Amino acid sequence: QQQVKQSPQSLIVQKGGISIINCAYENTAFDYFPWYQQFPGKGPALLIAIRPDVSEKKEGRFTISFNKSAKQFSLHIMDSQPGDSATYFCAASSHNFNKFYFGSGTKLNVKP
Amino acid sequence: DVKVTQSSRYLVKRTGEKVFLECVQDMDHENMFWYRQDPGLGLRLIYFSYDVKMKEKGDIPEGYSVSREKKERFSLILESASTNQTSMYLCASSFPARRVGYTFGSGTRLTVV
Repeated sequence: QQQVKQSPQSLIVQKGGISIINCAYENTAFDYFPWYQQFPGKGPALLIAIRPDVSEKKEGRFTISFNKSAKQFSLHIMDSQPGDSATYFCAASSHNFNKFYFGSGTKLNVKP
Repeated sequence: DVKVTQSSRYLVKRTGEKVFLECVQDMDHENMFWYRQDPGLGLRLIYFSYDVKMKEKGDIPEGYSVSREKKERFSLILESASTNQTSMYLCASSFPARRVGYTFGSGTRLTVV
């Protein structure tokens, strides 16, 4: 049973558009929600993360929106650029940070 | 910056061979993980370790074993490689007390022929 469900599996966005990737979870013990970015041939790298005491976190063009009651969180990429083309993974962990559960990934293609 | 180094970027092995994938981290991380990544299936956890000489099965341990003799090194072993083990293998490490996520290596692309 997948602990974190991610959609869509793939996404095509025009340059300058907004990319939105969604994740949902069931385990209410989760309290740390990172997003990872993976370029071809590389390992995933931590992009941005949020804790459930806030509803939004913004770093540059990347924003996480968090809805605790719905148990959903999403990544928004504003003004998407071709250099943002990558695979994005959401993840979740409980307070002990011992183990993370990953979504299935979203392959983003930003067209020039 | 923490570095997680995987010894090989690309490997080609024959069916039935015993294969060792090595992973070393340089920041005294307690936890280490092995994942495989396949298109459409995301990251699937094979094994993980919370301490030296400790190991726990992940979601897909069949056909694999691991070894952690030193804190900084976590090895994944394919006892008898099969073609369905052709995949990208990712190692990760973490220090839970620092309350941040994993650091991943660059991956090893294994092809079993």
